[in-house]
Amino acid sequence: AQSVTQLDSQVPVFEEAPVELRCNYSSSVSVYLFWYVQYPNQGLQLLLKYLSGSTLVKGINGFEAEFNKSQTSFHLRKPSVHISDTAEYFCAVSDTGGGNKLTFGTGTQLKVEL
Amino acid sequence: GAGVSQTPSNKVTEKGKYVELRCDPISGHTALYWYRQSLGQGPEFLIYFQGTGAADDSGLPNDRFFAVRPEGSVSTLKIQRTERGDSAVYLCASSLGAGSNTEAFFGQGTRLTVV
Repeated sequence: AQSVTQLDSQVPVFEEAPVELRCNYSSSVSVYLFWYVQYPNQGLQLLLKYLSGSTLVKGINGFEAEFNKSQTSFHLRKPSVHISDTAEYFCAVSDTGGGNKLTFGTGTQLKVEL
Repeated sequence: GAGVSQTPSNKVTEKGKYVELRCDPISGHTALYWYRQSLGQGPEFLIYFQGTGAADDSGLPNDRFFAVRPEGSVSTLKIQRTERGDSAVYLCASSLGAGSNTEAFFGQGTRLTVV
């Protein structure tokens, strides 16, 4: 079984400032890692994913995340946020053994202010 | 449309009633997933189909919940004898295959309110 912890339920940040959204996971097996974004009144959209290879993963909208196996973390970062980045962000994991069953964290609400 | 479609977008029902929630996946996607998102929580896995068969239904909370996908395309999530605790947003997703490295595309969800 896997679990995902997103310690920050809300992160306020000013426009053009950098941001980091934290994600830690726990699993007894190898996992794939994902970040999804949910804009108001929209479905979940995949931002980026780590499957294998380079631990630094780049996604859409200028976001990137780094997989750290020793710290079991997959923090999401953006060097300069925009008002349009205001949304709920979910970290998720799935078992590499098969199936696309995702285990999600509780989400982090990113609020970008002027 | 090109995305995953869920109907209705909102459903209000009385405690004890039966409800059906529908999901139209992206054409050609063989895998289909149902998740439930309660207020303030992340989505929780309910069931996933590969083709017409339920490959994993370990997330269904009890026998009041049932899902079908008779022709390998549209799926219906059925909830009997609804309870107030069933109130949540029910999300459907589909992917080309069931491998963990295939991207799952989500619908906008059905918000179920049991009064």
